[in-house]
Amino acid sequence: GAGVSQSPSNKVTEKGKDVELRCDPISGHTALYWYRQRLGQGLEFLIYFQGNSAPDKSGLPSDRFSAERTGESVSTLTIQRTQQEDSAVYLCASSLKLGGYEQYFGPGTRLTVT
Amino acid sequence: AQTVTQSQPEMSVQEAETVTLSCTYDTSESDYYLFWYKQPPSRQMILVIRQEAYKQQNATENRFSVNFQKAAKSFSLKISDSQLGDAAMYFCAYDRNMLTFGGGTRLMVKP
Repeated sequence: GAGVSQSPSNKVTEKGKDVELRCDPISGHTALYWYRQRLGQGLEFLIYFQGNSAPDKSGLPSDRFSAERTGESVSTLTIQRTQQEDSAVYLCASSLKLGGYEQYFGPGTRLTVT
Repeated sequence: AQTVTQSQPEMSVQEAETVTLSCTYDTSESDYYLFWYKQPPSRQMILVIRQEAYKQQNATENRFSVNFQKAAKSFSLKISDSQLGDAAMYFCAYDRNMLTFGGGTRLMVKP
């Protein structure tokens, strides 16, 4: 079946603009995660969704970052008033459930803030 | 908070040889999972191997195996018979719902 998809693959935006990144998880996966990967670094957790439970937002770096998920499907990550330090690759992953299940990653969105 | 440390930013191995990548972590939990993920230049994260903390037996997947030392909070990855296609960034990760990643080790494979 299809893997996790993300769009756009690349996004260049001006400082101060809002951006929206999209993730389509694998069908049937109840858990969805967002991570950020700065150049040459490991991945940082941002937020996860599990079914209809309240999302865990503990990794969001500021209130400029927010995310939504429609049921158990598409998720969007929104960054408001972008700053240069937001430049990174944003990776989405999904898994069958929380807790120890393999996370399948999308190809990421490379965000560049000029 | 959990932390994951990979102390080797870069490693090099000759094709067909064996290499071990180190990983240590810090947690107060007793039940968790550990993973090694591979990220080639394509940027796609690929699962290499998974370990359940309550299992004492070390996980093995073909040429990949781990040395899991729970008391020492150590989780190293051994790659046997290294191949050119193994060249990538390798990330160790701790799982308690979300993944906490180490900083990564870049593995180079010499022909």
